[in-house]
Amino acid sequence: GDSVTQMEGPVTLSEEAFLTINCTYTATGYPSLFWYVQYPGEGLQLLLKATKADDKGSNKGFEATYRKETTSFHLEKGSVQVSDSAVYFCALSDRTGTASKLTFGTGTRLQVTL
Amino acid sequence: DGGITQSPKYLFRKEGQNVTLSCEQNLNHDAMYWYRQDPGQGLRLIYYSQIVNDFQKGDIAEGYSVSREKKESFPLTVTSAQKNPTAFYLCASSLHHLGQPDEHEKLFFGSGTQLSVL
Repeated sequence: GDSVTQMEGPVTLSEEAFLTINCTYTATGYPSLFWYVQYPGEGLQLLLKATKADDKGSNKGFEATYRKETTSFHLEKGSVQVSDSAVYFCALSDRTGTASKLTFGTGTRLQVTL
Repeated sequence: DGGITQSPKYLFRKEGQNVTLSCEQNLNHDAMYWYRQDPGQGLRLIYYSQIVNDFQKGDIAEGYSVSREKKESFPLTVTSAQKNPTAFYLCASSLHHLGQPDEHEKLFFGSGTQLSVL
């Protein structure tokens, strides 16, 4: 079945540092790929998405490129802020029917310090 | 403002008791979902519904039940058969794909319900 593997956290960075959170996937066909972010005590919010190979999703300074050859979708940001502290989830969609059944990774906690 | 409302924010269950978690959306979305979140395990799909009066089991449906009598509402009942119910429960919704093919993959989440066992 489909699966998503993320790097384990927590990841602790100083403000303005470069961020990379690794994500690799296993899926049949050509899934869409997502990054969701969860702030403390809240639900998840879509951060960015990519629907086909070589697509780059971007939002709020975060970027991720759909790499079919390496089955990866690594999240990057050039300069993190304290407000970026949250849990980040990589996910894929199997596109069955009219519902979107997402398969999530285990999440990576990011802590940014001054 | 449109969105998804989950209630209550915290819920406690006694042994042998059934409890119901509420999820209401005013986004006019057709599909709704319930996920369970455990520490270190990410999110796992419990049930989902593509249209009113229809729903399907997800990966971990045992010990749970749902109904979808109205488009706006998708309540989840945690039954006494669920032996390890302590978790954070998240409800989500998405658009019907025939309207906007890529938008149906974009899930909107509620703020969650933390269920604990007394």
